[in-house]
Amino acid sequence: EIVLTQSPGTLSLAPGERATLSCRASQTVSISWLAWYQQKPGQAPRLLIYGASSRATGIPDRFSVSGSGTDFTLTISRLEPEDFAVYFCQQFGISPPPTFGQGTKVEIK
Amino acid sequence: QVTLRESGPALVKPTETLTLTCTFSGFSLTTSGVCITWIRQPPGKALEWLARIDWDDEKYYSASLKTRLTISKDTSKNQVVLTMTNMDPVDTATYYCARQIAIPAAPPLEWGQGTLVTVSS
Repeated sequence: EIVLTQSPGTLSLAPGERATLSCRASQTVSISWLAWYQQKPGQAPRLLIYGASSRATGIPDRFSVSGSGTDFTLTISRLEPEDFAVYFCQQFGISPPPTFGQGTKVEIK
Repeated sequence: QVTLRESGPALVKPTETLTLTCTFSGFSLTTSGVCITWIRQPPGKALEWLARIDWDDEKYYSASLKTRLTISKDTSKNQVVLTMTNMDPVDTATYYCARQIAIPAAPPLEWGQGTLVTVSS
């Protein structure tokens, strides 16, 4: 299976700052098969963005992704108060089966 | 509007079999390309993909849990059932079902609220 390693574990930033979250894969993954989710306490994960630029409904354009091969990045251009949460990356191809990263918590500094 | 809701026991004993039901609305599992995926999350931990069933009844399972999982669908009831045998305390988690589209490929789009299952004697 493909192991996804996210870093850092926790990111402490202030509203208005830029957040850069990393997701590294143990083998090559096409960005077309990579997704990012946001999860707040007590809630189900919410799909943010997948592929190179496909945002889920209602997701603002301050969320963007980049990367290729084994290294991918989710960038939040300017943090809003509602953006403080845990973020997971996922490779969602079926072969090899889907896997998730362990998550990055974005907390208020 | 797409909605999904997981249901099942909140508490199971070790060695018992867990049966979870995902009841959905707003779409049909007979539509080409539509899938239902099960994912779980132990308290405070990461997400783990469990299984998927497709519109054409194709089924996929986590390699590490394959021997314990069975997924099935009842399209007349708009339900998908996941069973997991030989439950253990490490299986304590919130279990989610989600709608996914396989053609064109997309990740799980809409999720249920999840159901917490505790395994304890």
